[in-house]
Amino acid sequence: GENVEQHPSTLSVQEGDSAVIKCTYSDSASNYFPWYKQELGKRPQLIIDIRSNVGEKKDQRIAVTLNKTAKHFSLHITETQPEDSAVYFCAASEAQHGDYKLSFGAGTTVTVRA
Amino acid sequence: DGGITQSPKYLFRKEGQNVTLSCEQNLNHDAMYWYRQDPGQGLRLIYYSQIVNDFQKGDIAEGYSVSREKKESFPLTVTSAQKNPTAFYLCASSILVSSGRVNEQFFGPGTRLTVL
Repeated sequence: GENVEQHPSTLSVQEGDSAVIKCTYSDSASNYFPWYKQELGKRPQLIIDIRSNVGEKKDQRIAVTLNKTAKHFSLHITETQPEDSAVYFCAASEAQHGDYKLSFGAGTTVTVRA
Repeated sequence: DGGITQSPKYLFRKEGQNVTLSCEQNLNHDAMYWYRQDPGQGLRLIYYSQIVNDFQKGDIAEGYSVSREKKESFPLTVTSAQKNPTAFYLCASSILVSSGRVNEQFFGPGTRLTVL
């Protein structure tokens, strides 16, 4: 099955700086790559996703890039704010043989210092 | 945050007891999923179901059981065979649109299970 690795496990940035989280995946057939944000004690919520037919997607201060050849994708957060502090998870899809499921990375705890 | 609910929010269990976690969704989603979340390990798939009366094992199904008798409900039973059940359990659902296209999963608020 799919194996997703996520780095770093923790990330501390100064408010206003950028944060970058990187993920690699193993299955070249994966075609959907979402990013979830989980605030303390809350449920994970989708913040951005990308499909394999595009290389980059932006939504205000958040962007995701995908390199299918290298099988890695990254989350970029610019102009970080205290409310960006949370755990971020990347995931990759497995839509093989009619099974629609996601494999998640281990998560990155982001702390934005005021 | 409505649409998918889980109950209870906190659950305490004695060793040797089975417990059932509830997951309900009113989003008319076809697929439902159960994940276990432990610190530093991300979300691990326990079971999933893409149609009523059918479900598949995920990566860590041992010691768990599920049923899918109704589209909107996907309860998870943690049995006494699960050796380390203390964890945060998340239910999710998604729509299945077309072949080969995975879609966003929406998560419930979670149930924190503690074995005493």
